[in-house]
Amino acid sequence: GAGVSQSPSNKVTEKGKDVELRCDPISGHTALYWYRQRLGQGLEFLIYFQGNSAPDKSGLPSDRFSAERTGESVSTLTIQRTQQEDSAVYLCASSLASSSELARSRTQYFGPGTRLLVL
Amino acid sequence: GQQLNQSPQSMFIQEGEDVSMNCTSSSIFNTWLWYKQDPGEGPVLLIALYKAGELTSNGRLTAQFGITRKDSFLNISASIPSDVGIYFCAGRDTANNFNKFYFGSGTKLNVKP
Repeated sequence: GAGVSQSPSNKVTEKGKDVELRCDPISGHTALYWYRQRLGQGLEFLIYFQGNSAPDKSGLPSDRFSAERTGESVSTLTIQRTQQEDSAVYLCASSLASSSELARSRTQYFGPGTRLLVL
Repeated sequence: GQQLNQSPQSMFIQEGEDVSMNCTSSSIFNTWLWYKQDPGEGPVLLIALYKAGELTSNGRLTAQFGITRKDSFLNISASIPSDVGIYFCAGRDTANNFNKFYFGSGTKLNVKP
């Protein structure tokens, strides 16, 4: 498909277990974002990748959260020792360019999200 | 930290009515975005605003970038049932972080046929 895809679409896990969420951005999109959306809330920025530059991790809520991205392709968000408060929808977005001065090139296209439930 | 207040939280309107929602921020933004999110989907960009005072339309939707750069509003004219969903504002303050967008908590729109 042409859009951002995420897997799994739903994940139920037990407190204390690790989970790994995957995002496949739109081909050619150099920028990739992860967000968390708690029930009935807006999106919270977690982390941002742009090409081979160091990621912007300023939104990660704790050291249990980490993310990786290889080049301009797939990204994985890992949550270690999950807690019930981690239950949320985790959304990934990609955009065409980030270093460009053309602001319009930064339009983010979102995937459908992974719904995580920690029991 | 950055505060982004979106109101109203929810709206119940009759088909054909106009709708208005707004966002205010605690600091100056230089980009405002409006998204719509349907159940089980990711947000979809509706309108992007890049200059203070800018007024932009997309069909029945009109959004404005407030001249103080601390607010934005979205209007929907002649609402129809498919307008149902959650509308989010988002903003960016590039002076502090070019990459980070802040999102409002959403306005849930219900349209009665």
